[in-house]
Amino acid sequence: EAGVTQSPTHLIKTRGQQATLRCSPISGHTSVYWYQQALGLGLQFLLWYDEGEERNRGNFPPRFSGRQFPNYSSELNVNALELEDSALYLCASSLAPGASYEQYFGPGTRLTVT
Amino acid sequence: AQSVTQPDIHITVSEGASLELRCNYSYGATPYLFWYVQSPGQGLQLLLKYFSGDTLVQGIKGFEAEFKRSQSSFNLRKPSVHWSDAAEYFCAVGAKSSASKIIFGSGTRLSIRP
Repeated sequence: EAGVTQSPTHLIKTRGQQATLRCSPISGHTSVYWYQQALGLGLQFLLWYDEGEERNRGNFPPRFSGRQFPNYSSELNVNALELEDSALYLCASSLAPGASYEQYFGPGTRLTVT
Repeated sequence: AQSVTQPDIHITVSEGASLELRCNYSYGATPYLFWYVQSPGQGLQLLLKYFSGDTLVQGIKGFEAEFKRSQSSFNLRKPSVHWSDAAEYFCAVGAKSSASKIIFGSGTRLSIRP
């Protein structure tokens, strides 16, 4: 069974540009979570989608947005990139919504903003 | 509001020595508790979880954790570490609701001394 996949592996952008990150969950999983892992800050919860709907959102500005497609894959968009957006962005999926369902993580997309 | 504290940023232990990583949480009711491990360049993998029942939980790779309600702690232990255990370890907390997201601690980096 294929795990959670993310693309691209690395992404280099300049300040002010937009970045699009993609995530494919494990087959059969309906919930997709996005996290930002900046150096020294642990995992910060960004967004949670389930069945195409946004279920929860972390304390991030509106320029962080995303969506979930009918096949449950997801996209994270970051507009007007700032230097501090440089981080590893992790996607996770779970079989159903809620903390009782294990989250399976992808390898991440390393975003570098110059 | 839920929160997780991992007081140790970096720990170094000798190979073969015992290990204890500390985790304290803040939550009004009995939480769901998790420990994840992140090896360099990879996503997170679930080591173990506590939902209810026996307060001593066994996980993969020889790890265990004990839930102590009176101390609001969920410390991770291993009797004898191996060089391959060098990684970042994250404690996390969630609630029983299907609307609950998981909150991660800031992580503890474990180094192994040969």
